[in-house]
Amino acid sequence: DIQMTQSPSTLSASVGDRVTITCRASQSISSWLAWYQQKPGKAPNLLIYEASTLESGLPSRFSGSGSGTEFTLTISSLQPDDFATYYCQQYDSFPYTFGQGTKLEIK
Amino acid sequence: QVQLVQSGAEVKKPGSSVKVSCKASGGSFSTDAISWVRQAPGQGLEWIGGIIPLLETAHYTQKFQGRLTITADESTSTAYLEVNSLRFEDTAVYFCARGTNTWRGENWGQGTRVTVTS
Repeated sequence: DIQMTQSPSTLSASVGDRVTITCRASQSISSWLAWYQQKPGKAPNLLIYEASTLESGLPSRFSGSGSGTEFTLTISSLQPDDFATYYCQQYDSFPYTFGQGTKLEIK
Repeated sequence: QVQLVQSGAEVKKPGSSVKVSCKASGGSFSTDAISWVRQAPGQGLEWIGGIIPLLETAHYTQKFQGRLTITADESTSTAYLEVNSLRFEDTAVYFCARGTNTWRGENWGQGTRVTVTS
């Protein structure tokens, strides 16, 4: 199975900050990587797919980059609604594993 | 807009089985990739299996091989997840998700809480 490792596990930041979350795959997954946002008690919501494509209708402050084994999710200017948990997921090969999540907290 | 509606919460005893449904509206159910993802209390997301209804073949995470059955009924646009021989550690929220010609989760169900308790 492909192991996905996110860092950091927890991130404390303030409104207006620029933050970056990293996701590493244990083997190359090309660009078959998605990022999700999840709020407590809710289903995840797709943010980015194919490593860098922003899901339709979402704000441009979210961006993704990377290929192969190293990927990043960047939020350019944090808004109050962005405090949530973020997950990466590879969909290159079965099973389609997730990272362990990064909880973004208000500083 | 595709919507996925899941069945309601379940409380089960260890060793029993549970079957969770996921009904889709909109989209092209037959060729969609339907995933099942679970989330234990306070934990992260875990992909446990999936199916493309038209192809009928389900894929499972190795650790669940033999205890999970994923099926799909094209006539009702409904996918099913059955978990057998339930254990306390199967207590979780189970989500279905779908993607158009892709296994990424473009749309998600609301989740079904399964509690395994004696």
